[in-house]
Amino acid sequence: AQKITQTQPGMFVQEKEAVTLDCTYDTSDPSYGLFWYKQPSSGEMIFLIYQGSYDQQNATEGRYSLNFQKARKSANLVISASQLGDSAMYFCAMREPTASGTYKYIFGTGTRLKVLA
Amino acid sequence: EAQVTQNPRYLITVTGKKLTVTCSQNMNHEYMSWYRQDPGLGLRQIYYSMNVEVTDKGDVPEGYKVSRKEKRNFPLILESPSPNQTSLYFCASRSSWSYNSPLHFGNGTRLTVT
Repeated sequence: AQKITQTQPGMFVQEKEAVTLDCTYDTSDPSYGLFWYKQPSSGEMIFLIYQGSYDQQNATEGRYSLNFQKARKSANLVISASQLGDSAMYFCAMREPTASGTYKYIFGTGTRLKVLA
Repeated sequence: EAQVTQNPRYLITVTGKKLTVTCSQNMNHEYMSWYRQDPGLGLRQIYYSMNVEVTDKGDVPEGYKVSRKEKRNFPLILESPSPNQTSLYFCASRSSWSYNSPLHFGNGTRLTVT
């Protein structure tokens, strides 16, 4: 089973509109972290936002917010007031502990967002 | 400037010719890791290291080796590259002191094995 599922391979949004990128995760460990990264066409990976499994409130960073629904195991990224520069690939990722006491990162397959002028 | 530096950015090689992709970070991070990115598959973890001389396999370690002799460096070694290792590779690091600290990525190495 996929640990991180991003069901939207591609999305379009009109400039200045809000958009939600979906992410569901699967873990049995109570302690985990969820991250979103942006990858523009230039290829670098840019950290956007983090949500910890014990965090009571949804994370926000400027125009980015994370709609964290723990019971549903979803961590959707909301981008408000989309800009042309938001056009990129977006990855959801989870950090979870391993049996040996370390931790590993698991990434989803990504959602390619295109913002239309 | 705090950064993760990978070299080379682009590499074309032939099957079986050993190669090393270097990764260095200047943030004194304990944790370092390697990923490969393939279309439709996202990023998959190859190896990771919690600290010097401590390394462990990720989800796709076959055909790769790593070493962590110094805290700042974490090279990825392909002893006998094959065409199925053609991919975009990322090195990343993070501090282990803060639970919510994110991974910092290098700019990637695009490898083609013919």
